[in-house]
Amino acid sequence: EVQLLESGGGLVQPGGSLRLSCAASGFTFSSYAMSWVRQAPGKGLEWVSALSGSGSGNSYNADSVEGRFTISRDNSKNTLYLQMNSLRAEDTAIYYCAKDTWEGVRGVLDYWGQGTLVTVSS
Amino acid sequence: DIQMTQSPSTLSASVGDRVTITCRASQSISSWLAWYQQRPGKAPKLLIYEASTLETGVPSRFSGSGSGTEFTLTISSLQPDDFATYYCQQYNGYSWTFGQGTKVEIK
Repeated sequence: EVQLLESGGGLVQPGGSLRLSCAASGFTFSSYAMSWVRQAPGKGLEWVSALSGSGSGNSYNADSVEGRFTISRDNSKNTLYLQMNSLRAEDTAIYYCAKDTWEGVRGVLDYWGQGTLVTVSS
Repeated sequence: DIQMTQSPSTLSASVGDRVTITCRASQSISSWLAWYQQRPGKAPKLLIYEASTLETGVPSRFSGSGSGTEFTLTISSLQPDDFATYYCQQYNGYSWTFGQGTKVEIK
């Protein structure tokens, strides 16, 4: 059974940093691209970042986080990360990790974690 | 960026109704479109990809159609489990965007 478990969320001040983790199990982690998608309270879904299965290919970011967020993965630990720097109030959201359907970044997200809440506030 | 616009934003329907949700892209995305269902407090669930391919395990009352800039999600006979919010998502290229969502409510 595919499981994705996010952690690392919490309250952080504007301008601060946070690193999210997503522990994966139930599938061959290195064979699939992974993404982060966020959802502000009461709002819709916003794609954030994506990375290929090998982790050595290109990563892709939404314009809203480009230069501030970095996606990475450790395939030996079956874990996906999102390093978030220079956080802003508008980054407040539930952050989901999601599994893609190919090794390469494709955009069809067939399994999602339950999410971790990030709150940016002073 | 490609903008995705869903209509309606909210839909009131009864069990057994046929329901159709429309999603329009600001430019052609071929068939690179997915549909997700999200129940309150839960993660999204993939229903359909490549505009019309049903994800494994999704009931056949769900169907998708369209290409280019106009797409539809149809639920042929609404069931109690189907009251949720539905999102379209384009994945043309490497900057993906979701529609704003359509909430299907009980009439």
